[in-house]
Amino acid sequence: ILNVEQSPQSLHVQEGDSTNFTCSFPSSNFYALHWYRWETAKSPEALFVMTLNGDEKKKGRISATLNTKEGYSYLYIKGSQPEDSATYLCAFLNDYKLSFGAGTTVTVRA
Amino acid sequence: DVKVTQSSRYLVKRTGEKVFLECVQDMDHENMFWYRQDPGLGLRLIYFSYDVKMKEKGDIPEGYSVSREKKERFSLILESASTNQTSMYLCASSPPFNEQFFGPGTRLTVL
Repeated sequence: ILNVEQSPQSLHVQEGDSTNFTCSFPSSNFYALHWYRWETAKSPEALFVMTLNGDEKKKGRISATLNTKEGYSYLYIKGSQPEDSATYLCAFLNDYKLSFGAGTTVTVRA
Repeated sequence: DVKVTQSSRYLVKRTGEKVFLECVQDMDHENMFWYRQDPGLGLRLIYFSYDVKMKEKGDIPEGYSVSREKKERFSLILESASTNQTSMYLCASSPPFNEQFFGPGTRLTVL
């Protein structure tokens, strides 16, 4: 079982503030890192699939960076809104399968 | 609109019962996966399949089996349900090495 760690486990953000959190993963045999957003009562949905060291991806106010040499990725939310409240999961791709972190649960307070 | 469906959103079973969880995808994906999600543990892979009639054990296969007779359908079987199998079960599908598409989940309670 590959060790994928996310921190913090949870965080509370005031509406309009920006925030970021971390995913760490094994730096050897890297193929890809996935980020998913899982809102309450919905299915997890993919945000980003990142494959190259130094990759930076953006979707609206959410962006992610990747450092494969040191084995970490950051997810950033700029100007948080209540609809950003969700659990954010990262997952490390190894062979055909993903190993998931336990997630960071973000609660945005109005 | 891509879709992964699961047969039940909520299920209550008794200890020792045989339980079938069905998953169907309409995207012609080769890969299909079964996960369980428990608080504080994230998604853990039970089994996956990369082709019809092919299956591979994930990280926690004990107490489970799977069946993939058709490309679009992947079934998870609990041969004799136990209380420690009470959990949320999620099915997903994907093309090889690509993002996964998840079903809505089945919350199983074993009494």
